Amino acid sequence: DGGITQSPKYLFRKEGQNVTLSCEQNLNHDAMYWYRQDPGQGLRLIYYSQIVNDFQKGDIAEGYSVSREKKESFPLTVTSAQKNPTAFYLCASSQGSREAFFGPGTRLTVL
Amino acid sequence: QQQVKQSPQSLIVQKGGISIINCAYENTAFDYFPWYQQFPGKGPALLIAIRPDVSEKKEGRFTISFNKSAKQFSLHIMDSQPGDSATYFCAASKETSGSRLTFGEGTQLTVNP
Repeated sequence: DGGITQSPKYLFRKEGQNVTLSCEQNLNHDAMYWYRQDPGQGLRLIYYSQIVNDFQKGDIAEGYSVSREKKESFPLTVTSAQKNPTAFYLCASSQGSREAFFGPGTRLTVL
Repeated sequence: QQQVKQSPQSLIVQKGGISIINCAYENTAFDYFPWYQQFPGKGPALLIAIRPDVSEKKEGRFTISFNKSAKQFSLHIMDSQPGDSATYFCAASKETSGSRLTFGEGTQLTVNP
């Protein structure tokens, strides 16, 4: 089955730690995205990549970093500089058409 | 700056009724308007989408109405069912931004049996 996988489903982080969220897709899509979801605020774009080895900041990139070394993978690192990281993180991909396909999400909680 | 505003924040409808969710946008460069459905703990899934060259699009019980001059679009769910209970997001994007979506705040829909 083609799709997007995110791991882990739940992640707990101590203050001051960096954590990395995994996103893998087997849809052969060129573009990948990371969104953050907070209650009552919809989804906000963190980073996006339209092609391998290239990525751009979204609306709320501060405190996050990404890499795009392979077409199918777009990991997101939440650094200690992100002051309020507790949220639901969603990865998405798209190809050609405007439709974005979303993964199941990772819920990050800071202890 | 919230470029896509969505209302209401929550909506309760009886089974068989019509659910209506509204969105307004500011950026006239937007030319693609999808609606996403999200169940608790899951990622959003595309429900239906419209482009501004048409005023209405219908797929089954779901209809998007689009008013370009007012910069508004809405989702109508006919014959609402308890299984429709979810959070609905409107979104918008422009050709130069590909699938980089600007989302509304979301509407939590509850359909009572």
